[in-house]
Amino acid sequence: AQSVTQPDIHITVSEGASLELRCNYSYGATPYLFWYVQSPGQGLQLLLKYFSGDTLVQGIKGFEAEFKRSQSSFNLRKPSVHWSDAAEYFCAVGPLETNAGKSTFGDGTTLTVKP
Amino acid sequence: GAGVSQSPRYKVAKRGQDVALRCDPISGHVSLFWYQQALGQGPEFLTYFQNEAQLDKSGLPSDRFFAERPEGSVSTLKIQRTQQEDSAVYLCASSLTGGVDTGELFFGEGSRLTVL
Repeated sequence: AQSVTQPDIHITVSEGASLELRCNYSYGATPYLFWYVQSPGQGLQLLLKYFSGDTLVQGIKGFEAEFKRSQSSFNLRKPSVHWSDAAEYFCAVGPLETNAGKSTFGDGTTLTVKP
Repeated sequence: GAGVSQSPRYKVAKRGQDVALRCDPISGHVSLFWYQQALGQGPEFLTYFQNEAQLDKSGLPSDRFFAERPEGSVSTLKIQRTQQEDSAVYLCASSLTGGVDTGELFFGEGSRLTVL
């Protein structure tokens, strides 16, 4: 069975500092990997996704993520955090061979940005 | 519509009541998903429609949960005889394509159900 672990429940960074959110997955085949962001009272918004090809994926809002098969990781990064990035971030894995939309989500990481 | 619309946004039900949650997906989107998000957790898959066909309902927690999408657009998630453990945010998402690669999911803002 597939699973996703986000080890950090809550992260606080200063505005302008770099950010890395960790995601580890367990899946038997080639995964379809996603990062979503959820602001309070809002729906989830897709930041980026990976299926194949270049292991460094660029997304919206200046985010990027790197797929490392050997480490079963798909960490999200941003070089300089803005106050508007404060939100909850979810990593997800989808089984492409059956239905990529039927994703398994991690429990999320809450990001707080200090001024 | 411009986005996925869900109603009601908030619902308080007494234990044992039936509730119905509505999802209006983006016009023309083939795939529709329902997820359940408990407090402090990530969304969990409930069920999936491709047009009007419910292709996967493996995530529905019990036979008290029922979903339909009779005309391939609006969907309703019905919960009968609600229990306290049903309290959660119910998220609807739609996608333009169907089949294996359903593409990007567009999520609604969710319906928060509280069962007293």
